[in-house]
Amino acid sequence: AQSVSQHNHHVILSEAASLELGCNYSYGGTVNLFWYVQYPGQHLQLLLKYFSGDPLVKGIKGFEAEFIKSKFSFNLRKPSVQWSDTAEYFCAARSLGTTDSWGKLQFGAGTQVVVTP
Amino acid sequence: ETGVTQSPTHLIKTRGQQVTLRCSSQSGHNTVSWYQQALGQGPQFIFQYYREEENGRGNFPPRFSGLQFPNYSSELNVNALELDDSALYLCASSFQGDEQFFGPGTRLTVL
Repeated sequence: AQSVSQHNHHVILSEAASLELGCNYSYGGTVNLFWYVQYPGQHLQLLLKYFSGDPLVKGIKGFEAEFIKSKFSFNLRKPSVQWSDTAEYFCAARSLGTTDSWGKLQFGAGTQVVVTP
Repeated sequence: ETGVTQSPTHLIKTRGQQVTLRCSSQSGHNTVSWYQQALGQGPQFIFQYYREEENGRGNFPPRFSGLQFPNYSSELNVNALELDDSALYLCASSFQGDEQFFGPGTRLTVL
């Protein structure tokens, strides 16, 4: 069965620390991968996406992610976090194929990140 | 450019009732997906609408149904509400297979 798993449910770190959130997916065939962020009181926003090409993807707000096909992983990184990065982060995947897969994102359970001043 | 909007923001219903949630797609988008996000979990795909027809469904019973209108807005209907239906319901729109943009959600509480 297709699934997305995130390694940590809660992460607490200090400002300027580096952040890495793990994500593994279980999909056969070609897959699109996404990281979404949900800031307190706001709706889900796309941080970055991987469709094809360079496996190192850069997104907004200094985030990047690396697609490692052999490990079925798509980990999110930020070299130096700020207090404003406090949010919930979701990894998501979808398989490519017919039109009915367009909107069918499979999300992980999310990782709550708290950045302390 | 107007983003994805949803109404109402919050809703309280009792078990057995029916509910309709509404979503307006972002301008230029023709595909709408609905998700259920229970507390402490990631969103779960309910179904997708494209060209006014359901085009892809997750593991949800038939009492979850929807509509998509010619202007690409959409409704989610849930019949015979159960306590476990309490959740945040998210609508997302896209232009076909492009990235999805999410609305703020409707918080449904079933008592």
